Amino acid sequence: DADVTQTPRNRITKTGKRIMLECSQTKGHDRMYWYRQDPGLGLRLIYYSFDVKDINKGEISDGYSVSRQAQAKFSLSLESAIPNQTALYFCATSPRAHSGANVLTFGAGSRLTVL
Amino acid sequence: GQNIDQPTEMTATEGAIVQINCTYQTSGFNGLFWYQQHAGEAPTFLSYNVLDGLEEKGRFSSFLSRSKGYSYLLLKELQMKDSASYLCAVEGQAGTALIFGKGTTLSVSS
Repeated sequence: DADVTQTPRNRITKTGKRIMLECSQTKGHDRMYWYRQDPGLGLRLIYYSFDVKDINKGEISDGYSVSRQAQAKFSLSLESAIPNQTALYFCATSPRAHSGANVLTFGAGSRLTVL
Repeated sequence: GQNIDQPTEMTATEGAIVQINCTYQTSGFNGLFWYQQHAGEAPTFLSYNVLDGLEEKGRFSSFLSRSKGYSYLLLKELQMKDSASYLCAVEGQAGTALIFGKGTTLSVSS
């Protein structure tokens, strides 16, 4: 089984629908992240969480919300999806880094298409 | 604010050496990372620099100059499987999340 699991892997939806992307991890990491990737724009940070009670906005949080239900679960919601939210979404985790590299482990990605 | 720049595309031939540059302007600096991403796959960690100098790991090396806000990833003895996107990312302040550049797509031909 994958260390970082994203569901669904692919989703097609319509404008105005509510969508939830889920992420779970078995690595025991404290930190979890959501990024989106668009051609030519690279990976952009949406939200991140350093523990269950910690939620932080990233570069592009408008139109998104998140929930950290447990250490192992971090979900991303689009309350009312719009076409420019069509993208590849990645969840990532990292350990609490007291020193050294804060290395991210990524899930396989969730491809969302909003029509 | 934070800004990370890297070339959009590069091409090279098998067996050659290629250098992918990355410049950054960030509020604070707690490390620079390089990730590799093959088409249709998730990014995977390649290297980490927090002090000035060169870090070597097999065919891949990464260099950092903090005073210049500059890093490069050096790939030697290129192989076809090195065709991928290479992502430069910076942790600006300790306890913040990584911010990524737009990535450099490297195409290796025979």
